[in-house]
Parts: sequence; structure tokens; C-alpha cells
Amino acid sequence: DQQVKQNSPSLSVQEGRISILNCDYTNSMFDYFLWYKKYPAEGPTFLISISSIKDKNEDGRFTVFLNKSAKHLSLHIVPSQPGDSAVYFCAVYRTGNQFYFGTGTSLTVIP
Amino acid sequence: DARVTQTPRHKVTEMGQEVTMRCQPILGHNTVFWYRQTMMQGLELLAYFRNRAPLDDSGMPKDRFSAEMPDATLATLKIQPSEPRDSAVYFCASGSGTGLHSGNTIYFGEGSWLTVV
Repeated sequence: DQQVKQNSPSLSVQEGRISILNCDYTNSMFDYFLWYKKYPAEGPTFLISISSIKDKNEDGRFTVFLNKSAKHLSLHIVPSQPGDSAVYFCAVYRTGNQFYFGTGTSLTVIP
Repeated sequence: DARVTQTPRHKVTEMGQEVTMRCQPILGHNTVFWYRQTMMQGLELLAYFRNRAPLDDSGMPKDRFSAEMPDATLATLKIQPSEPRDSAVYFCASGSGTGLHSGNTIYFGEGSWLTVV
């Protein structure tokens, strides 16, 4: 039973443009929402997070948006750079419980 | 530079053999997770421990998989007997505390790449 869904397995974007990665979740009880980035042959690394009491969190080129009513999470990368090419996983967390991850979206930024 | 350490990094084994993967969590972290990455399921949670006690292993095939934490510095994931469908990348991750606040997260190892032939 998939708690988190990333419906786009891949995304290609031109360098300098905006990348938008999307994620949907099923349970309104989750407290925190996170994005992880994964390069080939490496473990996922934390990128950015947002708590359920906020609807936006920004860190440099990365912004995460949370729409609780729609149970939808998105990551915006502006401007996109070739080094951003990686697999992005969204994750959800409920305090005291485990993390659930999506299936990942492979982002390719074309120079 | 604190990091989660996993061994082996790569393992090729024959079907039916026992496989043991090891994880050293970041010192001081009391929560340890085992995930498996597959193309279809993404990062599947297999098991997790808090203060060395198993909290949830419902994602793990019980007949062949087992996870333990013999001490606070070592977590193990064992497959016996292994099957070709177990071929995947297995990640260990660790974190601290029972709560999560903005900026806190879990940290992943580099993964153990398992191929069962």
C-alpha cells in the first residue's frame, strides 16, 4: 500500500529553467515532508523539508510547497543546473513513526 | 565527518546462499532503518529500530529476511536463503530522537548492492 506516490518517473528540463517535481500522499496525519536527492551509486541525501504547519519553505534555489487539502507536495528548482540531475525522492513522516518514500523522479537538466 | 557505514558495498551470490549486510549508524543516533531500492517500489522500508528494539518489520519477508541490532553500533540484515528477486540495493539509514523538526532528518549509507544469480 503506497503511502507516497511520485507519478512522474522522469523529467527533462533545460538549464536555467524551472524544474517542478510532484508528490502525492495518502494520510493527512503526516507531520513532516521531505525531499531527498540521490546520485548514482550513492545513498540519498537530505535536500529540504517542510512541516505540516507551513505551506512553503525556501532554501536557495530550492522551494518546497505543501498543499495539505490536496495532500500534495512539490519541489521547485530555479534556476535548474546540470548538477541537479539526479533522482529525487519525496518522503513523509509522522512523529514517532517511520519515513515513507516515493518511487522517485529522475531529473535530467540539459545544458 | 559522521556517516552511516554499510558493508559490503557489492555482493554477488548464488541463489540459496546466506547474505548478511551490516550497518554502522552514526554515533549517537538511536533510530536505524533498512530500506530496499527497486525500480518499481522506490525505497521500500523493510524494518526499523529505535534504541535497538525492533519497531516495525512488516515490510520484510519474514520467511527469509531477518534484522537485528546486536549493539548500538551495529545493525544487520540477513537473507537466508537468497533468491534472484532479492537483487536490489539495500540502504541503511540512521537518525536521532523520536521527534523530527525542521532541518532534522535521517542519514543514509551508500548502500549494499546485492546480486543473486
